Parts: sequence; structure tokens; C-alpha cells
Amino acid sequence: DAGVIQSPRHEVTEMGQEVTLRCKPISGHNSLFWYRQTMMRGLELLIYFNNNVPIDDSGMPEDRFSAKMPNASFSTLKIQPSEPRDSAVYFCASTPRTSYEQYFGPGTRLTVT
Amino acid sequence: RKEVEQDPGPFNVPEGATVAFNCTYSNSASQSFFWYRQDCRKEPKLLMSVYSSGNEDGRFTAQLNRASQYISLLIRDSKLSDSATYLCVVNMGNYGQNFVFGPGTRLSVLP
Repeated sequence: DAGVIQSPRHEVTEMGQEVTLRCKPISGHNSLFWYRQTMMRGLELLIYFNNNVPIDDSGMPEDRFSAKMPNASFSTLKIQPSEPRDSAVYFCASTPRTSYEQYFGPGTRLTVT
Repeated sequence: RKEVEQDPGPFNVPEGATVAFNCTYSNSASQSFFWYRQDCRKEPKLLMSVYSSGNEDGRFTAQLNRASQYISLLIRDSKLSDSATYLCVVNMGNYGQNFVFGPGTRLSVLP
């Protein structure tokens, strides 16, 4: 079975550019999460969706960050404009309807110069 | 006080040793609890859920103490392949999913 798929795996961009990260959850899972991981702050929940609806976006750092889930099989996390402090690994995870066990994608390593 | 706290580590243990990790959480209304492991430069992977009665999966045993707001993970007969960072995860959502990850404890099993 395919796991959670994220793209790109690596992204290097210049400050001020728009960055779009993509995620395809496991088929049949109804919740999707976006996390950010840094050495200093660890793994932080940014936003999560349930049945494609954003439920809690209190972890989104500021207005430069936005996330969408237009259908059950696709989500995006957009940063516009990007800043060097956004450099981190961004993970997407999904959970099935019947449990709270999260399955993570391989992550996108973002570097903003 | 941080929402989820873990032993800072790192733990360096010889093969075959037994090692225990502790985790405390701040929200007494927390509903569900997990241990994840994360290898270097990889994604977190579920190791086990933690049930009120305690649960065991092979060499791994997890315990939950709701009164003390404390979770533990015991690894017996540790293997080189157990070397990783172990993350304690608490769902603090009353009606939804508010997963809070601890900072992790690094384990190195030495030959």
C-alpha cells in the first residue's frame, strides 16, 4: 500500500519566494495534519483537517502560511513570502477514521536562503 | 511548564540492556497516548499506542499513569536497530485531535 506521499522532497528557495508543499494522504484516511520540525522547536502541529475541513489552524505561525485541502486525496501548504526562519522539515500525516494513529510522509526539507 | 516533557537523554546503552524512557504531560484531560520512533533524517513512525491497562509488544512495554500524568516506555534486550529518537505523543484534544509531541529522547545502543 502507498503511504503518505509528499512533494517535493527537497526545496531550496530564496527569501521572498512563494513555496508550495504538497501532500497525498493514505486513501481512506479522513484526517490530515501538517507539522514542522526544527532542532530548536521540535515537531510542531501547524494545522489539521478532518474530512477536508480545517479544524485547528492555531499552530500556523503567521499569515504568510496557508493550507488547503480541496479534496480527500490532496492538500497543500503554502508559504508566501518565504523567510530564512521558515527553513525546516515539513511533514504531512494522516489518520484513519477508526483510530488516532498517525502515518507520516517522508517530509519536505525546506531551505530558504 | 511544557505540555509534554521527556527525559533529555541521550541514552547510551550496550546491546542487551534494558532501558526505560519517561514522559509527563500537563493536560489531565488528555485522551490518547503514543510512542513514536524517529530515525535520523526520517519521518516519525508509530511504535505503539499506550493503553490505560498498559500494553506490551515484544520487547517493548508501555505504561500509563493517569493520576501522575506519566507515560513510560521500557525496551528489553535492546538491539543496535533500536537506536533512534523516541517521541512521546499526547492527544490533548477534548473533541478533536490536538497531538502534542515531546522533544524526544535519543537512544544509542552500542555493540
